[in-house]
Amino acid sequence: GQQLNQSPQSMFIQEGEDVSMNCTSSSIFNTWLWYKQEPGEGPVLLIALYKAGELTSNGRLTAQFGITRKDSFLNISASIPSDVGIYFCAGHFFSGNTPLVFGKGTRLSVIA
Amino acid sequence: NAGVTQTPKFQVLKTGQSMTLQCAQDMNHEYMSWYRQDPGMGLRLIHYSVGAGITDQGEVPNGYNVSRSTTEDFPLRLLSAAPSQTSVYFCASGKAGGLAYEQYFGPGTRLTVT
Repeated sequence: GQQLNQSPQSMFIQEGEDVSMNCTSSSIFNTWLWYKQEPGEGPVLLIALYKAGELTSNGRLTAQFGITRKDSFLNISASIPSDVGIYFCAGHFFSGNTPLVFGKGTRLSVIA
Repeated sequence: NAGVTQTPKFQVLKTGQSMTLQCAQDMNHEYMSWYRQDPGMGLRLIHYSVGAGITDQGEVPNGYNVSRSTTEDFPLRLLSAAPSQTSVYFCASGKAGGLAYEQYFGPGTRLTVT
């Protein structure tokens, strides 16, 4: 089945630094989603991307839908302590009602 | 508008016991799904439904049953709990077709099977 490779698995950064993470697939997707999960909570949708090449921002977060449709990137600028959590990418190839495919997540720790 | 609600928040079961995890949404979403989350394994899909009366298996369906009699509710049943089912369970919902893929998650149920 389809699989997403998300990297890095974890990162430790200093407050104020920029962060970059990505997700790649061997299959093409029509939709890329980025979620954030804080400790003890369910994942929360951050950004949704629907077109190859699309660049979308949500505050300090920016995500891009790769031109090849096989990858996506999430950048966080000027990180703050509340950015701590697990970031998941998810992809979908529109074929009937097939479910989302999730990456295994990037665990972000921010050192104040 | 409560979004996706899950009950209970925490549960401890003995091996062999049965129970139902409840999930409800008030957004009139056709698409609902159940995931389990284990350390290092990300989110794994158990079962999903694209509308009332329609369910399908995900990646890890064994040991779990679902039914969808209404649009709002999508309960997950464990018929005979096993320690391997110790996990955090998340329910999610979204619109079927179009932006189905914008799924919204509940707060989770933390299950321990001893």
